[in-house]
Amino acid sequence: SAVISQKPSRDICQRGTSLTIQCQVDSQVTMMFWYRQQPGQSLTLIATANQGSEATYESGFVIDKFPISRPNLTFSTLTVSNMSPEDSSIYLCSVEDHGGYTFGSGTRLTVV
Amino acid sequence: GQQLNQSPQSMFIQEGEDVSMNCTSSSIFNTWLWYKQDPGEGPVLLIALYKAGELTSNGRLTAQFGITRKDSFLNISASIPSDVGIYFCAGLSWKTSYDKVIFGPGTSLSVIP
Repeated sequence: SAVISQKPSRDICQRGTSLTIQCQVDSQVTMMFWYRQQPGQSLTLIATANQGSEATYESGFVIDKFPISRPNLTFSTLTVSNMSPEDSSIYLCSVEDHGGYTFGSGTRLTVV
Repeated sequence: GQQLNQSPQSMFIQEGEDVSMNCTSSSIFNTWLWYKQDPGEGPVLLIALYKAGELTSNGRLTAQFGITRKDSFLNISASIPSDVGIYFCAGLSWKTSYDKVIFGPGTSLSVIP
């Protein structure tokens, strides 16, 4: 199965700043997915990132707040912009993998 | 929109007991996935189901795709301490976008040695 590396694994950030999260996959994939998991909650899809086109955002998520890059078939970044304490969550990337979906270990973000 | 419900929300069991949890929806799904998440980790896929009525096992885990396509269950036999974690069901539907995975709220499992 695919192996996903996410960086950073955790960070504590000041409100008003931005954090860019990196996701590296060990194989080429068409689509990469970014999820948010708020404390004690389930996973919510933020956006789908396709190489060579703009990301597709889910309802409630906008590009200005969560810009995404997808420069090639093995890498993507998610930026959490102008952070507030409400953005404190785990952010996970995921790829389709032989009929299921594999997840990275996540980035635990705390905004103070 | 589509929504998944999981029950129970949490459960505390004795080591060695069998566990049963389920996932229901008012919508039809074409694929059901069961994940386990340990603290500080991403979800790990346990079992994937692709056909109505399908029954699939993975070691001590057994999952079934409901015949109505609106539900699925996961059983764990002879639980052990490392089974502790949060179990999520997830579904994919052709009705919306096949690539969009919808997650249930999770079942938290605690195993008492």
